[in-house]
Amino acid sequence: AQKVTQAQTEISVVEKEDVTLDCVYETRDTTYYLFWYKQPPSGELVFLIRRNSFDEQNEISGRYSWNFQKSTSSFNFTITASQVVDSAVYFCALSEGGRGGNKLTFGTGTQLKVEL
Amino acid sequence: DAGVIQSPRHEVTEMGQEVTLRCKPISGHNSLFWYRQTMMRGLELLIYFNNNVPIDDSGMPEDRFSAKMPNASFSTLKIQPSEPRDSAVYFCASSPTGQGREKLFFGSGTQLSVL
Repeated sequence: AQKVTQAQTEISVVEKEDVTLDCVYETRDTTYYLFWYKQPPSGELVFLIRRNSFDEQNEISGRYSWNFQKSTSSFNFTITASQVVDSAVYFCALSEGGRGGNKLTFGTGTQLKVEL
Repeated sequence: DAGVIQSPRHEVTEMGQEVTLRCKPISGHNSLFWYRQTMMRGLELLIYFNNNVPIDDSGMPEDRFSAKMPNASFSTLKIQPSEPRDSAVYFCASSPTGQGREKLFFGSGTQLSVL
């Protein structure tokens, strides 16, 4: 069975600090996909990024970057120079590439609070 | 383009009443998902459909919950009878196909409170 663990329940930082959100996953599949979603206070779930299990290249998008390491089954998310607008709950999720389709298994989320 | 549309946004009902949540997926999307979010259990997949057919309903809590997708543009999640422990935010999501690589597009959710 697949599982996603986000050990950090809540993180508080001061604006402009860098922050890393951890994600560790478990799966028996060799083909799988990892996702990060953001849930701002308004409640909707917003897609941030997707990686497949064959692509370990790190990715940077503006202030956001992702570090995927199969050796440690981790897919960590870093926000550089955090801003108050980054305050949200961030979810890591996993879908397996086989017959399971794209049903997502979510971690429990990390609440990020960015203060002035 | 319209996203996934859920209604109502908020529902307050009394224990024992029937509750129906509605979802209109993005046009052209073939997969539809119902998730429930609670503080205790986080985001749980309840059921998902491919081409209007239920594929996996193993997450449906019990017989009080049922979901239908009569056509490609509409789905319902029904709780009968409702109980206070059903209070949660219910999300509907859709994706173009059921392939594992695809992201899900989520609706704004229905906040359900059962008193």
